[in-house]
Amino acid sequence: EAGVTQFPSHSVIEKGQTVTLRCDPISGHDNLYWYRRVMGKEIKFLLHFVKESKQDESGMPNNRFLAERTGGTYSTLKVQPAELEDSGVYFCASSQSPAGVYSKQYFGPGTRLTVT
Amino acid sequence: SQQGEEDPQALSIQEGENATMNCSYKTSINNLQWYRQNSGRGLVHLILIRSNEREKHSGRLRVTLDTSKKSSSLLITASRAADTASYFCATASNTGNQFYFGTGTSLTVIP
Repeated sequence: EAGVTQFPSHSVIEKGQTVTLRCDPISGHDNLYWYRRVMGKEIKFLLHFVKESKQDESGMPNNRFLAERTGGTYSTLKVQPAELEDSGVYFCASSQSPAGVYSKQYFGPGTRLTVT
Repeated sequence: SQQGEEDPQALSIQEGENATMNCSYKTSINNLQWYRQNSGRGLVHLILIRSNEREKHSGRLRVTLDTSKKSSSLLITASRAADTASYFCATASNTGNQFYFGTGTSLTVIP
């Protein structure tokens, strides 16, 4: 069974540009999560999808971030326009049940975003 | 912030020794989970302990949970060089919608 995959693995862009990150969850996992880790800090929750619906997007830092999950399969996270403080590693995770309900999450390898 | 905090931030031990990492959190939880991250890779789930459990074992891992102190510990016994990684605790909100991670403990096991 394939795990969670993320693309690209690393992206370097200039301030003001747009970047789109992609996450393919494990097949059949309705729950999809995005997280971000800024250098040296904690891993922070961004948002949670259940199928194609946003269950909780309270962690999204501002309106420059847009997440979608059309059809309830893969998800994209777009940053437009990117700022220096957006640099970090963006993780995606999926689970069958909501992560808090005795269900573990499966994480992708992350996308390292560098904004210069 | 509802994020957990791990202690210590960094730990370096000799192969064969035990490694203990602690985690504190701030809110009531449904469960607490420990994850490992090897450099450049995603997080790997290690163990889950429910809020009504006090201790759990899995191979060389032992996790304790003290909900009155809002703290947990992860003990790795007989450490190996391959255990070198960052370890994170994560707590799940009671709704299951949010997951709060700590800052992580960087463990180095010296062969």
